[in-house]
Amino acid sequence: EDQVTQSPEALRLQEGESSSLNCSYTVSGLRGLFWYRQDPGKGPEFLFTLYSAGEEKEKERLKATLTKKESFLHITAPKPEDSATYLCAVQAPSNDYKLSFGAGTTVTVRA
Amino acid sequence: DTGVSQDPRHKITKRGQNVTFRCDPISEHNRLYWYRQTLGQGPEFLTYFQNEAQLEKSRLLSDRFSAERPKGSFSTLEIQRTEQGDSAMYLCASSLTGFGAFFGQGTRLTVV
Repeated sequence: EDQVTQSPEALRLQEGESSSLNCSYTVSGLRGLFWYRQDPGKGPEFLFTLYSAGEEKEKERLKATLTKKESFLHITAPKPEDSATYLCAVQAPSNDYKLSFGAGTTVTVRA
Repeated sequence: DTGVSQDPRHKITKRGQNVTFRCDPISEHNRLYWYRQTLGQGPEFLTYFQNEAQLEKSRLLSDRFSAERPKGSFSTLEIQRTEQGDSAMYLCASSLTGFGAFFGQGTRLTVV
């Protein structure tokens, strides 16, 4: 069964203090790895899709990278509005209809 | 707004009552998914439709749960005889290609 583990569970940052979130995964083949942002009481908001090892995607202060066993979400010079829970999910070719999610990393950025 | 729409956003019900949630996907998307999320956890897959056909159901979807997608447009998720353990956020998502999914804002269910 596909497994996704995210670390740390929670991350408290000072504004401007860059850091990285980790997503380790076990899956039979990888159709895609997805990063979402979720604000309290709302649904997940799509950020990135990564398909193969070595791939990188960037959006504003966020950069996602992918290796064969894990993905990192780097937050550069974060601002308070980057505070949210970041979810990682994988999709396998054998289960192309579903995403298997990790429990998320809750990021709090203090001004 | 062209995103995934869910209604209601919040529902409080008494144990034993039936509830029904509605999801309107992004209009050109042929795949529609239902997920459930409890506090501190990531979303868990419940079921999915391709057009009007329900093609997969998780073992999490007990007999008290039923989902429909008539005419391949909107979908409904009904929970019969609700239990306190059904309290969760119910998320609907849709996609065109099957790569990933776009989520709605969810329906927060509280069973008292």
